[in-house]
Amino acid sequence: AQSVTQPDIHITVSEGASLELRCNYSYGATPYLFWYVQSPGQGLQLLLKYFSGDTLVQGIKGFEAEFKRSQSSFNLRKPSVHWSDAAEYFCAVTGTASKLTFGTGTRLQVTL
Amino acid sequence: EAGVAQSPRYKIIEKRQSVAFWCNPISGHATLYWYQQILGQGPKLLIQFQNNGVVDDSQLPKDRFSAERLKGVDSTLKIQPAKLEDSAVYLCASSPNGQPRGDTQYFGPGTRLTVL
Repeated sequence: AQSVTQPDIHITVSEGASLELRCNYSYGATPYLFWYVQSPGQGLQLLLKYFSGDTLVQGIKGFEAEFKRSQSSFNLRKPSVHWSDAAEYFCAVTGTASKLTFGTGTRLQVTL
Repeated sequence: EAGVAQSPRYKIIEKRQSVAFWCNPISGHATLYWYQQILGQGPKLLIQFQNNGVVDDSQLPKDRFSAERLKGVDSTLKIQPAKLEDSAVYLCASSPNGQPRGDTQYFGPGTRLTVL
């Protein structure tokens, strides 16, 4: 069965600074990988997804993620964080079916 | 395009009471999902419907939870009787097809349940 680990529970960055959120997955074959964002009182919104091809994936709101098979990682990055990016971020994986398995999330705090 | 609608947004009940949540997916979406998100954890799939048939309910506590999707559109998730550990946010999601692994799931705002 597939699984996802997000090692950072909480991260604080200054507005304008760069951001990297870590995600490690476990799956025997090629995974389908996703990053979702959840703002307070909101549902989850898809930022980006990776299936195959170019390992650097561009998403919405200026986010990107890089798939590294050798490290079983799919880290999320943003060059310059805005205060509105403060939220909880979830990495997720699907295996052979469409069932999403989520990590425990990373809460991002942005200081002004 | 309207998103996934859920109601109620908040619910507080006593343990051993029953509760029901409603979800209206995006129009035309064949697949509907119910997730449970306990505080501090990621969402966990409870049940997946393809049209009005169940695809996966392996993590649904069937002794107390039930769900239905009549006519392949709206869905209701019920808990009876509720336990303290059922306190969580219940998220509904829908996707156009569901079978392809990469089908994007669109989430509703969730229902926050507190069991006292």
